Amino acid sequence: DQQVKQNSPSLSVQEGRISILNCDYTNSMFDYFLWYKKYPAEGPTFLISISSIKDKNEDGRFTVFLNKSAKHLSLHIVPSQPGDSAVYFCAASAEEYGNKLVFGAGTILRVKS
Amino acid sequence: DAGVTQSPTHLIKTRGQQVTLRCSPISGHKSVSWYQQVLGQGPQFIFQYYEKEERGRGNFPDRFSARQFPNYSSELNVNALLLGDSALYLCASSTTGGPYEQYFGPGTRLTVT
Repeated sequence: DQQVKQNSPSLSVQEGRISILNCDYTNSMFDYFLWYKKYPAEGPTFLISISSIKDKNEDGRFTVFLNKSAKHLSLHIVPSQPGDSAVYFCAASAEEYGNKLVFGAGTILRVKS
Repeated sequence: DAGVTQSPTHLIKTRGQQVTLRCSPISGHKSVSWYQQVLGQGPQFIFQYYEKEERGRGNFPDRFSARQFPNYSSELNVNALLLGDSALYLCASSTTGGPYEQYFGPGTRLTVT
């Protein structure tokens, strides 16, 4: 049962343009959402999070949007840089589940210079 | 400040053997969680420990066990290794037991032959 889905296995973007990574979830109990970036041979690095009481959160070049009615969130990276090339994971959690994170399968982002 | 550390970095074991993986959380973090990541998938939750007590367990067999020590470091043990246990094992720490940001270590790459 894939409760968190990232339907795009990969995305290629030109340097300086916007990267949009998408994530869908099915469990309405989820109330906290996170994005992680992962380089090869490293652990996931926390990027940005959003609580279900908000619909947008910004941190520098990264913005996460949450649409609760559609059970959909997205990560926008503007402007994209070659160093952003990595695997991006969407994760969700719920107070009832402690701090168990449920991850999507990831999207490989390639930023071309 | 030091991040989450894990040891060993790589490990090769034979089917049927037992393995112990170790994790030291970020200073001040009282919660440690373990995740398994196989190629092409997102990390899957195995255990959470908070203040030395098990707070959550994922859908893994009883061959998997863990504990947390008074200094908040943790060990993950896997008995009777199977080929399918080959994966990257990630440890994450956080300040509380709640659904907030978790910070991951670099992982231990386990290969079972």
